[in-house]
Amino acid sequence: KAGVTQTPRYLIKTRGQQVTLSCSPISGHRSVSWYQQTPGQGLQFLFEYFSETQRNKGNFPGRFSGRQFSNSRSEMNVSTLELGDSALYLCASSSGGGTGNYGYTFGSGTRLTVV
Amino acid sequence: AQKVTQAQTEISVVEKEDVTLDCVYETRDTTYYLFWYKQPPSGELVFLIRRNSFDEQNEISGRYSWNFQKSTSSFNFTITASQVVDSAVYFCALSEDGGTSYGKLTFGQGTILTVHP
Repeated sequence: KAGVTQTPRYLIKTRGQQVTLSCSPISGHRSVSWYQQTPGQGLQFLFEYFSETQRNKGNFPGRFSGRQFSNSRSEMNVSTLELGDSALYLCASSSGGGTGNYGYTFGSGTRLTVV
Repeated sequence: AQKVTQAQTEISVVEKEDVTLDCVYETRDTTYYLFWYKQPPSGELVFLIRRNSFDEQNEISGRYSWNFQKSTSSFNFTITASQVVDSAVYFCALSEDGGTSYGKLTFGQGTILTVHP
């Protein structure tokens, strides 16, 4: 059974640009959530999607957005990149209702560097 | 609001030593879930264990064991006879139940475990 796949693995962007990251969940999982990991702030929740609807959102500016497609694949977009957006972005998929009762399986992440 | 505290920033041990990673959590919910994840240098978060708030039974799985105590809001993790391959960052995490918690894990700051040969 394939795990959670995130692409690309590494990305270098310039300040002011925008970036799109992709996450393909485990087959059959309908909940996808996104996290940002930085040395200073640790792992922080960005948002969660279930059946193409955003159900939960963390405390991030509007430059961070996402969407989910009918096949449950999800993308997150960061516009007007800032140096502080450099981070490892992780996505997690979950079966069932997407709550803790079902657990979360993480991908390997996309490491974004903003220069 | 929920909060997870891992007081140990770094732990260094010699192979075959036992090591315990501490985790203390805060939540107002009566139903919640606690997790331990391991993050090797590759970056992926590897799931180790999940416990719900109604299951205080402690467990041993191979070299891993967990001690969940609601009275002290602690969820500690022990590796017995540590090995070099156990070197990683270990995260404790909390998920509350209910609509505002969909997909959301609150993580501790992580404990860097280094096991020396």
